Formats: sequence, C-alpha cells, structure tokens
Amino acid sequence: QSALTQPPSASGSPGQSVTISCTGTSSDVGGYNYVSWYQQHPGKAPKLMIYEVSKRPSGVPDRFSGSKSGNTASLTVSGLQAEDEADYYCSSYAGSNNNYVFGTGTKVTVL
Amino acid sequence: QITLKESGPTLVKPTQTLTLTCTFSGFSLSTSGVGVGWIRQPPGKALEWLALIYWDDDKRYSPSLKSRLTITKDTSKNQVVLTMTNMDPVDTATYYCAHIPITMIQYWGQGTLVTVSS
Repeated sequence: QSALTQPPSASGSPGQSVTISCTGTSSDVGGYNYVSWYQQHPGKAPKLMIYEVSKRPSGVPDRFSGSKSGNTASLTVSGLQAEDEADYYCSSYAGSNNNYVFGTGTKVTVL
Repeated sequence: QITLKESGPTLVKPTQTLTLTCTFSGFSLSTSGVGVGWIRQPPGKALEWLALIYWDDDKRYSPSLKSRLTITKDTSKNQVVLTMTNMDPVDTATYYCAHIPITMIQYWGQGTLVTVSS
C-alpha cells in the first residue's frame, strides 16, 4: 500500500489562502468518501481537522474546508493565521485489507 | 471526554518484542462501530498506520507489517495491546493509539517514543 502524495510544503501570508492536495488511487481516495485531514504541531499529536472529505468536527474553525475530485482530495485553509503553521496529513480509508493509508505530509508556513 | 494514553518501554533492543498498551476512557470498545488503532511516526517522518481492532474483535493490520503485529483488546479494562516482534532500529518512532469510529481517526493519544538500539 503506497502513501498518498502531498506536496512537501506550502506557504501563504496572513489572511491569504493555501490549498494542499492529496493524490491517491481509485482504491483509496477515489474509492471512498472517507478522506480525513490532520494538523500536527511540532512535538504534538495530530488533530482531526476534516473528516469524510468535507465535514468539520466541532471546534474546528470554518476557515478549514475539504473537497475531493476523482483520486485527489484537497484541504483549503482560508484567512491564514500564525497558529495554522503546522504539518498537515491526509488519510483515506483503503478497503478492508489495507484499512487506512496516510499522506506524505505537507509543511504549511505562514510568511 | 475521550482520552487515550500509550504506555510501554521507551527503549528496546534489536530482535526483541515490543508490547505497547493503550488505556482509554470516555468510550467503550463494546459499542458498535467503535475501533482503536495504532499509528507510528519515525522522527521527522510521516505517519504510518499499523493496526486496528473493532468492537466485534475484527482485526486489521498494515499489509507490510502484518507478520510482526498482533492487536488485542480487554474491554473490561478499557485497554488495547499491540505487540510487534523482531524490532529493528528502523522501528524507532513515536507510537500513537487512537479512537477510530470507522470513517476517521478521531482522537489521538499523546504518543510514546520507542527507541530501538543495542
């Protein structure tokens, strides 16, 4: 099972938007609407930001949004704030044999 | 409030077996649709899914590590145990347990760093 592909880095100035892509296959991202996104600050555990492609857990700002087209999912952070600087990982359900697969991770820098 | 906490050795020798325990609260692993899983992250690297056990004792493993992993649960103690055999220095990582209600990895433990070295 190969990792999902994310760009290594992304950046934006405060107030701007940044979009991170997550590319998989028809066996994971494209096959299920079970894509999640996680934010991880240095030395901390990941935090769920988006689940089931576009749903936000309670407490996650609406600046965070998710979408999917074919085998590629995306996370958009609008109105960038300093606290959004972190690593972001996508994850997808990948069927009963592989269960879950993670992305390669993207470091978001707020300039 | 759902919380999870990992416990186990911080240092293991090559070829040894690692045993990690996840102790959780705020949910029951006998509730339909609930699972607890393990994910690891080598220093400076990406997350890697390892194993998952569901409320009905259905067990799932990473295909690449399946031969080395065993996951079990003790519902009465609110614990899930992961064993990994034949440890190698490349297995040095922070190991996380997580609450997994099927479609997402919802809540994570704080993680425990395991170093493999002689």
